This record gives sequence, structure tokens and C-alpha cells, in this order.
Amino acid sequence: EDQVTQSPEALRLQEGESSSLNCSYTVSGLRGLFWYRQDPGKGPEFLFTLYSAGEEKEKERLKATLTKKESFLHITAPKPEDSATYLCAVQGNSGGYQKVTFGTGTKLQVIP
Amino acid sequence: EPEVTQTPSHQVTQMGQEVILRCVPISNHLYFYWYRQILGQKVEFLVSFYNNEISEKSEIFDDQFSVERPDGSNFTLKIRSTKLEDSAMYFCASTVRETQYFGPGTRLLVL
Repeated sequence: EDQVTQSPEALRLQEGESSSLNCSYTVSGLRGLFWYRQDPGKGPEFLFTLYSAGEEKEKERLKATLTKKESFLHITAPKPEDSATYLCAVQGNSGGYQKVTFGTGTKLQVIP
Repeated sequence: EPEVTQTPSHQVTQMGQEVILRCVPISNHLYFYWYRQILGQKVEFLVSFYNNEISEKSEIFDDQFSVERPDGSNFTLKIRSTKLEDSAMYFCASTVRETQYFGPGTRLLVL
């Protein structure tokens, strides 16, 4: 069974204080690892898809990296508007290949 | 930019009643999904749908749940006899190249 563990559960940063969020995963044949941002009461908003170890993707202050066991979401010089819950999810090759397994997320608060 | 839409945004129902949640996926997407998120918990996969049939379902998706694509645009989730524990946010998503685009969700409250 695919599993995703995210750490820390919550993170409080000062504006401009860079940090990283961790996503550890086990999956039977990785088809994709996804990062989403979720604001309270809203649906997850797609950020990145990573397909293979060594891959990196960037978008504004965010950079996602992938190894065979974990992924990191690096946040550089965060702003208060980056405050949200960041979700990691994986899709593997087991079963019908469609199931996506989510982690519980990291709740990020950026203080001005 | 195209987006996934869901109706209603909120639904309150009595235990044992049937509810239908509606979604309009992004046109030209081929895979559609339903997820639920109980308050304070993680997003959970319910079912995926492709080519007018279920392609995969989770253990949560039991006989009280069903999905349909009644026309070329809408995608529905029916819960036949709601239970208190069905109270949650329900998200629809549509997919292109393994990237899922989520709708804003329907908040279902079962009393």
C-alpha cells in the first residue's frame, strides 16, 4: 500500500526566512509525485508534478526536488501570502494505476 | 484559464437521504476523480472514472456510492443513504498527464 508522510506538521516562519518541507513516500512504482497548496475551505491547487529521482521544478519562491524515497519543497524568502497547507501526494503502479495517496500536509504560517 | 466547477458549494441533508454532488470537469480531460476530506484530515481517494466507467475505487467507495457522467460535461457522485460519517468536503478533479486539477469542493453536512 502506498504511503506518504509529511513533516513537519506545522511550520512558522518569519517573512524572508527560507526553509524546506519534507515528504517521505513508499510506492509500488512511482508514476508521479505531486505537490499542492491548499487554503482553508478550498480545493488543492496544483503546484508541481515530479516523475523521477533527480528531477527538480521551480515556480516563483518554490522549488521541488525528488529522490527515490523523499521529496522536498524548498521555500525561498517566503511572504505572508505563502501561508497555506502544502500537500504531497503520490500515484503508483499498483491496482488500477489511478489511485492518488495524499499525506496529511504541512501547515505553513509566514509572519510579516 | 479553464477550471473545474462543483455544485452545490454547501449541502445539508438528513441521515438516510440521498444526495447528488455535481462537477463539471475541464473539457478535453479524460480522467475524472472524486475525493473526500473529513474536517482536519487528509484528502482521501474515492473513485476514478475513464471512458464512462469506473477505472479504480477505494475501500471507502462502497455500494452506497455511485458515479455517472450523464452527459458530455457533467460528472456526478451519488450517495444513496447518507450517514453521519459522510459529512466532509467532496472534491472533484480532472486530469491531464497525471496532473489533477481540483474543483472548489462541496461541503456536505449530514444531520
